[in-house]
Amino acid sequence: DVKVTQSSRYLVKRTGEKVFLECVQDMDHENMFWYRQDPGLGLRLIYFSYDVKMKEKGDIPEGYSVSREKKERFSLILESASTNQTSMYLCASRSTGGTQPQHFGDGTRLSIL
Amino acid sequence: GNSVTQMEGPVTLSEEAFLTINCTYTATGYPSLFWYVQYPGEGLQLLLKATKADDKGSNKGFEATYRKETTSFHLEKGSVQVSDSAVYFCALTRDTGRRALTFGSGTRLQVQP
Repeated sequence: DVKVTQSSRYLVKRTGEKVFLECVQDMDHENMFWYRQDPGLGLRLIYFSYDVKMKEKGDIPEGYSVSREKKERFSLILESASTNQTSMYLCASRSTGGTQPQHFGDGTRLSIL
Repeated sequence: GNSVTQMEGPVTLSEEAFLTINCTYTATGYPSLFWYVQYPGEGLQLLLKATKADDKGSNKGFEATYRKETTSFHLEKGSVQVSDSAVYFCALTRDTGRRALTFGSGTRLQVQP
């Protein structure tokens, strides 16, 4: 089975801090994704990566950046955390291939105080 | 761009009742369609998928049929159990962005004994 591991289940940070959320997958997938989940809005795509050092913006990239130095690891960075970034963050990966599904981690619930 | 509309919840049913969660979509091209399930405190798990018109996805007693003529992918189960209580997300692949997913807002299902 594919395993996508997010480093923290719960995280509490302060406004203005630089925050790192880490995600690791063990199936050599080319594509990795970061979403945020908010009630009534479903999941919204922040950034995705299709190869090492390659990244593209999703629908809501403002206030975020990403890093993919190794194929298995995809990091989401909040440059200067703000309270409106309090949310559940979900990482996913998938292999290249038309109908392959995405596999998700358990999520990180981030609170910005 | 692609979009997904799900019925609002929560949906509250008694055990062994019939379940339908409506999902309609707008899309260009030929997206794949998915249902994901999120149990309390967990990430998203793939429940079922369909990759072309008239395909039926099925898993764990749940079914959904890809209806291109009505642009729908309704989720059904003949007899729900308390253990089916979760949030259900309908999703489709985008025509860009390395097949990132566009999600509906989610429908919470509560099954009472």
